[in-house]
Amino acid sequence: RKEVEQDPGPFNVPEGATVAFNCTYSNSASQSFFWYRQDCRKEPKLLMSVYSSGNEDGRFTAQLNRASQYISLLIRDSKLSDSATYLCVVYTGANNLFFGTGTRLTVIP
Amino acid sequence: EAGVTQFPSHSVIEKGQTVTLRCDPISGHDNLYWYRRVMGKEIKFLLHFVKESKQDESGMPNNRFLAERTGGTYSTLKVQPAELEDSGVYFCASSQGGSGELFFGEGSRLTVL
Repeated sequence: RKEVEQDPGPFNVPEGATVAFNCTYSNSASQSFFWYRQDCRKEPKLLMSVYSSGNEDGRFTAQLNRASQYISLLIRDSKLSDSATYLCVVYTGANNLFFGTGTRLTVIP
Repeated sequence: EAGVTQFPSHSVIEKGQTVTLRCDPISGHDNLYWYRRVMGKEIKFLLHFVKESKQDESGMPNNRFLAERTGGTYSTLKVQPAELEDSGVYFCASSQGGSGELFFGEGSRLTVL
């Protein structure tokens, strides 16, 4: 079983739409959780960390459910510039980071 | 401040040839990681340096891959001899401490023909 599972998409949404991505992880002892964003042919960049209580950064909301081992990312009022691949990343300690395959989002004018 | 830089950005070689990829981490970052993404798959860990020491090389696919970080600054990843399945994007990342925030280079795309 993979350490991190994501729906690869693609998700094609109109501008202004709300879209949600989900991710599950297999190691119940995982310590930290992140969403990275990767633009086409570019490197991954940290979008936001995911905290147990849930956290928001502008139009982006991340949530964590440790009991279900589930992480989500919600994007409200989608912009064209949000088009990218969103990577769910789980840190299990001892410098072990596991990446999901990524969910591809395309925001359509 | 300069970010993580990688060279070359793209390399096309024939099966059996040798390629050496280079990574310059952010200055002062002791942790340096190599990752690889093959087409359609997730980014996978290859190895981790702390300064010049290999902390974890459990992700290295086989002994055709050799990574070094002499002096604890830049790192090289050599593939010798290259096989078709080695094609992919090789990312280098660095971090200051042991956390989940890594700073990635733009990657070196390797195509083995």
